[in-house]
Amino acid sequence: GQQVMQIPQYQHVQEGEDFTTYCNSSTTLSNIQWYKQRPGGHPVFLIQLVKSGEVKKQKRLTFQFGEAKKNSSLHITATQTTDVGTYFCAGDGDKIIFGKGTRLHILP
Amino acid sequence: GAGVSQSPSNKVTEKGKDVELRCDPISGHTALYWYRQRLGQGLEFLIYFQGNSAPDKSGLPSDRFSAERTGESVSTLTIQRTQQEDSAVYLCASSPRSLYSGANTGELFFGEGSRLTVL
Repeated sequence: GQQVMQIPQYQHVQEGEDFTTYCNSSTTLSNIQWYKQRPGGHPVFLIQLVKSGEVKKQKRLTFQFGEAKKNSSLHITATQTTDVGTYFCAGDGDKIIFGKGTRLHILP
Repeated sequence: GAGVSQSPSNKVTEKGKDVELRCDPISGHTALYWYRQRLGQGLEFLIYFQGNSAPDKSGLPSDRFSAERTGESVSTLTIQRTQQEDSAVYLCASSPRSLYSGANTGELFFGEGSRLTVL
């Protein structure tokens, strides 16, 4: 069945350092979505990538979709304390399946 | 309403009791998803509805779990004979996605979740 793997599970970075999380799907996706969940909150949509090889930027966040539409990454440049939370990728095949998420901790 | 509404926000029940969790999606959203999130864990897919039909029930953990949707609106997730391992936050999300329009819009709008604790 459709599976989405995400690494790393946890990441501790010093404030100002960069952060990357990676996502891989067992099947080709029609699109991939990224969500952020703050501690105690619910997931909030960040972005959707549709095209093979697509790259999108939101301020310090850069999202990539692989050429084969089976993998994706999220890169945050110069992390800030407001970036704390868990970042989930979600693969949209015949249903939307979430990876297990990467929990980002920022050390001041 | 303005967003996805879930009730109750918190439910404490005794092992063996039945519980019903309700989700009111954003008006006009055709797709509705249920996920389970255990403490500190990821989102586990349970079931999704396209309109009132559930094309994929493969995520339901056991036959104690069932869900329905009526009027292409409200959905209810029912857990019978609750067990302690059912304790989790149950998240509902809706999306304007339609399989028939060809739209590629799958963004999910989540509710605040229903926190279930089984003693």
